[in-house]
This record gives sequence, structure tokens and C-alpha cells, in this order.
Amino acid sequence: ILNVEQSPQSLHVQEGDSTNFTCSFPSSNFYALHWYRWETAKSPEALFVMTLNGDEKKKGRISATLNTKEGYSYLYIKGSQPEDSATYLCAPSNGNFGNEKLTFGTGTRLTIIP
Amino acid sequence: EAQVTQNPRYLITVTGKKLTVTCSQNMNHEYMSWYRQDPGLGLRQIYYSMNVEVTDKGDVPEGYKVSRKEKRNFPLILESPSPNQTSLYFCASSSTPPTVSNQPQHFGDGTRLSIL
Repeated sequence: ILNVEQSPQSLHVQEGDSTNFTCSFPSSNFYALHWYRWETAKSPEALFVMTLNGDEKKKGRISATLNTKEGYSYLYIKGSQPEDSATYLCAPSNGNFGNEKLTFGTGTRLTIIP
Repeated sequence: EAQVTQNPRYLITVTGKKLTVTCSQNMNHEYMSWYRQDPGLGLRQIYYSMNVEVTDKGDVPEGYKVSRKEKRNFPLILESPSPNQTSLYFCASSSTPPTVSNQPQHFGDGTRLSIL
């Protein structure tokens, strides 16, 4: 099982403020990192798939960076809105054929305070 | 519309009574997977399937069975459910395994199981 850590576990942010949180994973044998957003009572939805060291991806006010050498990714939300309230999950993969298990972190639960 | 469909969405049942949760996808995806979600533990993979008749254990397979007789369907079977299998279950699919590609998974809406 891959050791995946997300921090913080939960976060309360005032509407309009920006925030960020972290996904840490083993830097050896890295292949890709998946970010998902999961709103309560809905299903997880893919945000980004990142593969290259130094990569930065953006979707509206949400962006993510990747550091494969040190084994972490940051997710940033600029100008938080109530609809950003969700649990954000990451899942790294090591690209090993013959072992296609995917391990998710426990997530960062973000609550935006109006 | 591309989707992953799970049934039932909710089920309350009793210990030992066999149950099946169905999962169907209409995207011709090869990779399918079952997860359970428990508070504080995130999504944990139960079983996955690379293609028809090819299934393998995830991180928490005990007490579960799966089958993949057709590409579109991947049912989760609990032969003798126990209270510790009370959880929220998600089925997911992707065109290729997410571990060796940059393809994201598409998730179903979830099935909430309560085993009394």
C-alpha cells in the first residue's frame, strides 16, 4: 500500500480568502498524481492528473503544482466560494504493470464560511 | 450521456443475507473498480478489473467477491454481509488503469449499505 498523506485533514476558510493544502507521497517510482473533488452527497469528480515534475494545472480558480523529486503536490484555491466546500482527494500511482491498485489519501475536507 | 450507474443507492439488510450491488458503465471502459469510504479512512479499493474475466484484489478485499463477465458490468457481491461492511460504496471506471495512465476515473453515485 502506498503511503499517501494529505494535510490538513480539515480546513475552514472565509469566503473570498485563498487557501492551499498538501498531498505527500513516496517520490520513488512516481508515475502520476490524480486529484479529485468530492462534494457531500455526490460522487468524486476528477480535477487534475499530473505527471511531470514542476507541472502546474489550472481549472478556473483551482490550480495544482507537482514536485515529484520531493514527493508532494499542492492544491490552491483562489478567492474561495461556498461551492468550493468539498473533500479534496489525491491518489498517486507508481506506474507498475501487474499491480494496478490505486491508493487514495484520506482527503482534506474544506468548508467555506460565507 | 457517459455514466457509471450503481444500484441500489441505499440498502438496509441483516447479517448473513447475501446481497449484490450492481455497477454498469456505458463508456466501453476496460478498467473498473470498487471502493468503500469510511469516516477518517478515505477511499479504499476493494477489487479492480482490468478487463473481462480479469479481476484482482485491492487493499480491502476480505468479505467481498466480484465478477466481470461483460465489459460494461462489474457487480460487487457480499456473500455473508457483516456489520463491519456497513459503508458507502463507489464503483468507478476508466478507459485504462489510472495507475499507468493519465486517464481519470468516472465514479458512480454511490451505494450506502447498512448491515444490521
